[in-house]
Amino acid sequence: AQSVTQPDIHITVSEGASLELRCNYSYGATPYLFWYVQSPGQGLQLLLKYFSGDTLVQGIKGFEAEFKRSQSSFNLRKPSVHWSDAAEYFCAVGANTGGGNKLTFGTGTQLKVEL
Amino acid sequence: SAVISQKPSRDICQRGTSLTIQCQVDSQVTMMFWYRQQPGQSLTLIATANQGSEATYESGFVIDKFPISRPNLTFSTLTVSNMSPEDSSIYLCSVLSGRAAEQFFGPGTRLTVL
Repeated sequence: AQSVTQPDIHITVSEGASLELRCNYSYGATPYLFWYVQSPGQGLQLLLKYFSGDTLVQGIKGFEAEFKRSQSSFNLRKPSVHWSDAAEYFCAVGANTGGGNKLTFGTGTQLKVEL
Repeated sequence: SAVISQKPSRDICQRGTSLTIQCQVDSQVTMMFWYRQQPGQSLTLIATANQGSEATYESGFVIDKFPISRPNLTFSTLTVSNMSPEDSSIYLCSVLSGRAAEQFFGPGTRLTVL
């Protein structure tokens, strides 16, 4: 069964600083990997995804993530954080089972941005 | 991407009662999913709902507690039955995009059980 670990429960960065959120996964085959963001009182918004091909993927809002098979990681990065990026971030791994795609989520990383 | 709405957005319910949550999508989709997000926790998949077939439940979730309907390709309901305070959570529906196995989520229903 697949699993996702997000080792950082809380992260605080200053506005304008760079950001890296860690994600490690466990899956027996090439995974589908996703990053979602959840702002307070909001649903989940897809930031970016990896299915295959180029291991560096670009997403919305200036985010990018790099798939590293050797490290089983899919870390999310942003070169300069904005105050509006404060939210909870979830990494997820997808398993293509029976024609569908079941997602397993990590426990999330709460990002706080200091002005 | 699909536009998904849920009703109600929030509710406060008494122990022992049931609540039905609706999920409406603006386009036809084959697969819909229901998730639970307990306070301060991540999302846990409750079940997968395909139109025209019985929902498939994940380990730890049963149909008697969480019956699901999927009458057509744009609509689904999740009922939380015989509620207890432990059912207080955010319940989210999602749909599978036919394009690239992406899931898009509704805004969620915040349920509080007293």
